[in-house]
Amino acid sequence: ETGVTQTPRHLVMGMTNKKSLKCEQHLGHNAMYWYKQSAKKPLELMFVYSLEERVENNSVPSRFSPECPNSSHLFLHLHTLQPEDSALYLCASSQGIGAGRNQPQHFGDGTRLSIL
Amino acid sequence: GDSVTQMEGPVTLSEEAFLTINCTYTATGYPSLFWYVQYPGEGLQLLLKATKADDKGSNKGFEATYRKETTSFHLEKGSVQVSDSAVYFCALSDGSTDKLIFGTGTRLQVFP
Repeated sequence: ETGVTQTPRHLVMGMTNKKSLKCEQHLGHNAMYWYKQSAKKPLELMFVYSLEERVENNSVPSRFSPECPNSSHLFLHLHTLQPEDSALYLCASSQGIGAGRNQPQHFGDGTRLSIL
Repeated sequence: GDSVTQMEGPVTLSEEAFLTINCTYTATGYPSLFWYVQYPGEGLQLLLKATKADDKGSNKGFEATYRKETTSFHLEKGSVQVSDSAVYFCALSDGSTDKLIFGTGTRLQVFP
């Protein structure tokens, strides 16, 4: 139990569907992250939120839309995805900026997304 | 920019063998260094960390020493078990935020 819960664990969707991934952290952290993990590629940081404000958006296509309604919840809204978007999507949290150096990130178990 | 380079896998070992997974980094400042482990079907878990030169991080029999002179943070374990089979990621943070830069990961397979 890492304190970071992601749902659903698996998702299969067509290219025209709209779905959302959910992440919830029970650690009292102030920063949350979305990563994409594809086979044979490095972990890709997609978005960073600090105190519910987006502080980083790494050239992610607009078909991925993040939302952070409060410091405990993070969503990734998906629409009109492509087959190359099939991957494991990982959420993480950390204490955040101002908490001092060397704070590790805590990861959820991920959502395995398959685009048909 | 900052980067992390790991040895390519898979690394295949017999149980009780000695493990080394190499990691080197490039950074302009004074980063903190981490090893994360990902077991099948799970997310990443922090394995160990080191925050300054010559620090040694250790956990579950794994060790890594922060070597500034060689910009390395190699992961070692004296006697691996089948349950250590996983993907290992080396990472650094720049120290001003919690943002991590990861290596590509090294898959370890341990056979009985």
